[in-house]
Amino acid sequence: LAKTTQPISMDSYEGQEVNITCSHNNIATNDYITWYQQFPSQGPRFIIQGYKTKVTNEVASLFIPADRKSSTLSLPRVSLSDTAVYYCLVGDRNPGFQKLVFGTGTRLLVSP
Amino acid sequence: NAGVMQNPRHLVRRRGQEARLRCSPMKGHSHVYWYRQLPEEGLKFMVYLQKENIIDESGMPKERFSAEFPKEGPSILRIQQVVRGDSAAYFCASSPYLASGDTDTQYFGPGTRLTVL
Repeated sequence: LAKTTQPISMDSYEGQEVNITCSHNNIATNDYITWYQQFPSQGPRFIIQGYKTKVTNEVASLFIPADRKSSTLSLPRVSLSDTAVYYCLVGDRNPGFQKLVFGTGTRLLVSP
Repeated sequence: NAGVMQNPRHLVRRRGQEARLRCSPMKGHSHVYWYRQLPEEGLKFMVYLQKENIIDESGMPKERFSAEFPKEGPSILRIQQVVRGDSAAYFCASSPYLASGDTDTQYFGPGTRLTVL
């Protein structure tokens, strides 16, 4: 499984756009990139998944350059409730099973 | 449709006792996964089960830990003779049966926080 590297922590203010970048130099051809969000005392919550270029949903955008060695999770206009730990995961999308490998994540703190 | 349910949310055991953690997957989901999270760390995979089958238990400690997902009822993670090092948050996740090429999104429960005194 490809190893991921992301910043340990980030600080932001309400209303700003936050970009969290994840490095995955050894990503394999069949690997997908998935981001999860975890609030204190809760289980992780799926945010977004992509393979290449750009993916957007109602929560976030995911930018993946052509070489796929990194990806950037973009959170538009963050609020206090976006304070959480964000995990970048890379793995083969084996139908029916994906052993998720979590790193230590990026701890985002949003201040007023 | 209720999400993944876990109980109890908090469990306190003394060293040497047994801990039983229960997980009810989302309706229609036939795959269950268990993860363990130590403070300030990411989740670590323990075991993957389908109904009445253990598919991958490569993350399970060799002794004292066992898991099952019976035909009827919740999945159970059982820890015998607990030690202080077992204190952690245990998360269960579930996913539906997937056809080839579908995205495997795991949906997590709120976790059970085990404290061993």
